[in-house]
Amino acid sequence: DSGVTQTPKHLITATGQRVTLRCSPRSGDLSVYWYQQSLDQGLQFLIQYYNGEERAKGNILERFSAQQFPDLHSELNLSSLELGDSALYFCASSVTGGRTGDEKLFFGSGTQLSVL
Amino acid sequence: DAKTTQPPSMDCAEGRAANLPCNHSTISGNEYVYWYRQIHSQGPQYIIHGLKNNETNEMASLIITEDRKSSTLILPHATLRDTAVYYCIVRRWYSGNTPLVFGKGTRLSVIA
Repeated sequence: DSGVTQTPKHLITATGQRVTLRCSPRSGDLSVYWYQQSLDQGLQFLIQYYNGEERAKGNILERFSAQQFPDLHSELNLSSLELGDSALYFCASSVTGGRTGDEKLFFGSGTQLSVL
Repeated sequence: DAKTTQPPSMDCAEGRAANLPCNHSTISGNEYVYWYRQIHSQGPQYIIHGLKNNETNEMASLIITEDRKSSTLILPHATLRDTAVYYCIVRRWYSGNTPLVFGKGTRLSVIA
């Protein structure tokens, strides 16, 4: 158990809909990362937050947004869903987000999103 | 961060040592070598990291060549549960805003 909690574990929805994925980082970790993994692609970095502020952005679609709340949990919002958005979405956390060294990432077990 | 090259797949007999190579010939002095693994559809798991000295923990050993241009992850007694994709990642210690980038990794199959 990595200590990172993601909910829900599975999500089935229809095209055009909007969903919210939730992530609770390990206790004491200030940084949260979101990754997407589809069958034909590897782990793709989406976005990183550190203590509530956006730190880095990857190939995140405009239809996707995220935020990190004062209690440090994070939510990834996916809207106007398309079939191609079907993927595993992972959240990870780390203590400092790379600011002071030792950036071991701890990953949650992921949310499997199926868009039908 | 420097680029890494790993073989796409490897087999290992159960109980034997699994030696996973990684080439990082453009590594610079302030870059560390990290290893993660991903067991089927689970979240990636941190294994070990090092700078220039060999490192060992409860999961594995990391051997880095003297010129730091390559490294080997060693699983001393591989079990079926070690079947996974192993990622070698080179990363600056103070990585700032640079995210951790996963390549294609090596798919290790441990065979009974």
